[in-house]
Amino acid sequence: GIQVEQSPPDLILQEGANSTLRCNFSDSVNNLQWFHQNPWGQLINLFYIPSGTKQNGRLSATTVATERYSLLYISSSQTTDSGVYFCAVVGSSNTGKLIFGQGTTLQVKP
Amino acid sequence: EAQVTQNPRYLITVTGKKLTVTCSQNMNHEYMSWYRQDPGLGLRQIYYSMNVEVTDKGDVPEGYKVSRKEKRNFPLILESPSPNQTSLYFCASSLRPPRSDRAHEQFFGPGTRLTVL
Repeated sequence: GIQVEQSPPDLILQEGANSTLRCNFSDSVNNLQWFHQNPWGQLINLFYIPSGTKQNGRLSATTVATERYSLLYISSSQTTDSGVYFCAVVGSSNTGKLIFGQGTTLQVKP
Repeated sequence: EAQVTQNPRYLITVTGKKLTVTCSQNMNHEYMSWYRQDPGLGLRQIYYSMNVEVTDKGDVPEGYKVSRKEKRNFPLILESPSPNQTSLYFCASSLRPPRSDRAHEQFFGPGTRLTVL
């Protein structure tokens, strides 16, 4: 099945810093989503981005489907950005199952 | 507000006591799914439903049942919970079922933390 790898596994930033999170996947995908899991465990949708570039405030994402990777950019980070960031993909399987990467744990210090 | 809701959000129970975790969406989504999240194992799909009265097993269905009598609701039933079902559970939905060439954005509920003693 599809493998999803995220890097880095852990990231510590000072408030105001910028960061780039990477997601590599091993096969073609029909869906790619980025989520933020906050300290209360909730999974917040950030982007639905099977290809191309999107921006939402301080966050933006780019997926290059032909090269099988996606990037999540966080600019001017805030303490509320802390948590785990997941990349998840749906392959050609018709179960609709999202295959999650292991996540990047981000800690933003004041 | 468009959302997926789950109840209860937190539950502590004992082995063998039947329980139901409800999931409801107000977006007229056809596809719904249940996941469990465990440390070191990530999120794993339990069951999914392509539409009303259509359900199928995911990767870890043992010990769980589901039903889809109405489009908006997709309850997860644990007939005889055991401690290895202690986990964080998520319900998810999307507008349409996935096809071989397209899968729609999935939206997640807030999660249910279940502890089975």
